[in-house]
Amino acid sequence: EAGVAQSPRYKIIEKRQSVAFWCNPISGHATLYWYQQILGQGPKLLIQFQNNGVVDDSQLPKDRFSAERLKGVDSTLKIQPAKLEDSAVYLCASSLDSGAGYTFGSGTRLTVV
Amino acid sequence: GNSVTQMEGPVTLSEEAFLTINCTYTATGYPSLFWYVQYPGEGLQLLLKATKADDKGSNKGFEATYRKETTSFHLEKGSVQVSDSAVYFCALSDRVGSEKLVFGKGTKLTVNP
Repeated sequence: EAGVAQSPRYKIIEKRQSVAFWCNPISGHATLYWYQQILGQGPKLLIQFQNNGVVDDSQLPKDRFSAERLKGVDSTLKIQPAKLEDSAVYLCASSLDSGAGYTFGSGTRLTVV
Repeated sequence: GNSVTQMEGPVTLSEEAFLTINCTYTATGYPSLFWYVQYPGEGLQLLLKATKADDKGSNKGFEATYRKETTSFHLEKGSVQVSDSAVYFCALSDRVGSEKLVFGKGTKLTVNP
């Protein structure tokens, strides 16, 4: 089966600019997650979707980050405006609802200069 | 809140050496426990998991046992290979139903020939 697709792989922007990341989960996976992985740290959950509804966005900085999952399939994560501390790898993952575990995409590496 | 503490790295071993990476956790309830591996330039891959006390997860020669009495889930491998060089993350599932993962900071393993 195809994996979780993410694009772009790399992005360099200046602070205060905006950026968007895209994720296409595995077909049939109802649950989709966005994680932020800062260099030297473990991934941290930003937002979790069940189909097109938000389950958990408690750690999403809502003043600058937004995410949507239209039609319960693809998802986009946006940052506007970006700060230097947003430099990280943004990982998308999907799972069935059965507790079988996640499948992660390769991530998007964002550098804010 | 729930948390995972992992052995600090980096860890450097010679090929065929024995590997242990320590992981302890703090959680309310009875979480599921995971080890994920991240090879250079790639996304996170599930290595093994255990869902209840005394369960042993195993895969590719790696093993970890869910020890409720010591709140630990140490990763072991009897004979490492150069291809095992990667970053290893211990994680727990935060809430039943949510499947939100809480990660440790990761341990970088380098295996020299």
